[in-house]
This record gives sequence, C-alpha cells and structure tokens, in this order.
Amino acid sequence: EAQVTQNPRYLITVTGKKLTVTCSQNMNHEYMSWYRQDPGLGLRQIYYSMNVEVTDKGDVPEGYKVSRKEKRNFPLILESPSPNQTSLYFCASRLAGPNGEQYFGPGTRLTVT
Amino acid sequence: AQTVTQSQPEMSVQEAETVTLSCTYDTSENNYYLFWYKQPPSRQMILVIRQEAYKQQNATENRFSVNFQKAAKSFSLKISDSQLGDTAMYFCAFGTNTGNQFYFGTGTSLTVIP
Repeated sequence: EAQVTQNPRYLITVTGKKLTVTCSQNMNHEYMSWYRQDPGLGLRQIYYSMNVEVTDKGDVPEGYKVSRKEKRNFPLILESPSPNQTSLYFCASRLAGPNGEQYFGPGTRLTVT
Repeated sequence: AQTVTQSQPEMSVQEAETVTLSCTYDTSENNYYLFWYKQPPSRQMILVIRQEAYKQQNATENRFSVNFQKAAKSFSLKISDSQLGDTAMYFCAFGTNTGNQFYFGTGTSLTVIP
C-alpha cells in the first residue's frame, strides 16, 4: 500500500530534550516536505526536500533541522524543543513536478512542556 | 511572499444543498498552482481538487468544482449535493511555480446538517 508513515504519532516531551520525528514514504517520491498545523494558522511549511541531499527552508524553519540521506526518509529534528513548538506535524511527499498531488502522513501530535 | 486568505472560519449547509467556500491569495508570480484539501476529524489531509493558473478552464471533480478568477486572485470551491461525509475542515493552498513551496489558508470548518 502506497503511504507516508510518521513516528511517533503522539509525543509529550520537556523543553530542551532533543527529539526526532521520522517520516518515510514507499512511493519513490523525489519531493518531501514538513508542515506544522496550529489552530487559526492553518498549515505552514517548515522545510522541504527536492531530492536526496537537497533541502531548503520553508516559511517557519526556525528551531528545526532536517536531513535527506535516503530518498524514502525525511526526519524532522528538534534539537532543543520549546513550548511554542507544540503543534500537529505533517510530512508529505510527491513526485517531482509542481502540480503533483502531495500525499500526507497521518500527523504527529507533539506537546512540549 | 505569498499569502492565502480564507475569510470564512465556519460554514454550514443542509444535506443535498450547495455551498461555496471562498479563498483569495496574493502573489506576484504569473504561473502557480492552487489546491483545495479536506481534513476530516481523522486529521488525514485529502486532496479535493487542483487548478493550474495557466489553465483558464475551471477544474471539476465529481461534486466539487472551482471558480478560478486569476485577475481577482480568487479560487472558490463549490460543493454540490452536500453529503454528511463532506463535514470537515477545508484548506485552500497555493503552490509556487517550482512546486517547492506551499502556502495554506487558515481553513474553513464545514458542517453538513442532516
């Protein structure tokens, strides 16, 4: 089954404790992206990757890091999480090309206390 | 920078009726891509419909259609014959010409009333 998976689905952590949210897709997609969703703000793009070893900042990259060492994986790293990073996070992927459908993962609910 | 505005935080419609969700955007690009996504209570993001800015013909997908007005930078979604399963949050989204950057609106929560 074609899908984007994210782990963990739920995470409660404390300020300053480094964490990684994994994202993996099995569709051989070149493009992958991370978004955060907050009430009243919609989804905002954090980082995106056009292919292996090619990443770039989205609209709200501060406090996040990403890497793309393999085509299928695109982890999101929070090296020192803060309460304002409490959010719902989505990973998405699609084929290269600007109008392709993005396939979204199920979301990761992160709470930073 | 691009912005996407959805001015209707909440809407409701009677089952089997038609409803239109509004979306406006601001950009200096001439070519770009517009999308409507649906997010039901399960939180899964589902593509409803997409429109390429260089195509004048409005996109349609079964009961869903758009009214794309490029000069007015408007991209509304019309849902015909509303069904209970249409109850969801709907997000309008703008994709840049390269397809790398996406901007979402704040969403419209639609409730279909039986």
